[in-house]
Amino acid sequence: QQQVKQSPQSLIVQKGGISIINCAYENTAFDYFPWYQQFPGKGPALLIAIRPDVSEKKEGRFTISFNKSAKQFSLHIMDSQPGDSATYFCAASISGTYKYIFGTGTRLKVLA
Amino acid sequence: KAGVTQTPRYLIKTRGQQVTLSCSPISGHRSVSWYQQTPGQGLQFLFEYFSETQRNKGNFPGRFSGRQFSNSRSEMNVSTLELGDSALYLCASRDQRGGNEQFFGPGTRLTVL
Repeated sequence: QQQVKQSPQSLIVQKGGISIINCAYENTAFDYFPWYQQFPGKGPALLIAIRPDVSEKKEGRFTISFNKSAKQFSLHIMDSQPGDSATYFCAASISGTYKYIFGTGTRLKVLA
Repeated sequence: KAGVTQTPRYLIKTRGQQVTLSCSPISGHRSVSWYQQTPGQGLQFLFEYFSETQRNKGNFPGRFSGRQFSNSRSEMNVSTLELGDSALYLCASRDQRGGNEQFFGPGTRLTVL
């Protein structure tokens, strides 16, 4: 019940295309869902986060879509660029615990 | 503000040894969490400290321990190292007034031979 399932494991997208990464969870107590971007040799960097009271949040080219009833959330990267090539992690946590449960990661490659 | 800093960045140890990793959080952040990242298991929560007290602990053996100092700096110790402890150890800091958002450091790459 503590797991967060992330798919796909890897993704190849053409420059200018849309990258979509999906995550699913079981624990309905989760109430904070961040996405992190990690480049080789670096720590994860927060991209965007959402709470269950909204169905969508957009920041620049990055959008989170949230489906509370299906217990799923996804990251959409619009107009994908080669510089977006990185590993993306979804995560979930329960407010007050500050313990993140991470998905297994998606390695994104954007072709020039 | 400077980000989260971790030292050392790289470490090579042999089985049976012990190791101490250090983390300095963002100035003003009093919550520090530690995570282990491996290719097989991904990112796994180790523990979280706030005001020198451990508030949360993941499912790791007692060989993994930590502490936090009054200036919010934190250390993580792994005793009796095993080959499987080879990983990237990440520290994240959080401003307790700012909700759940955590900021990660660059990590310490530990290799156990």
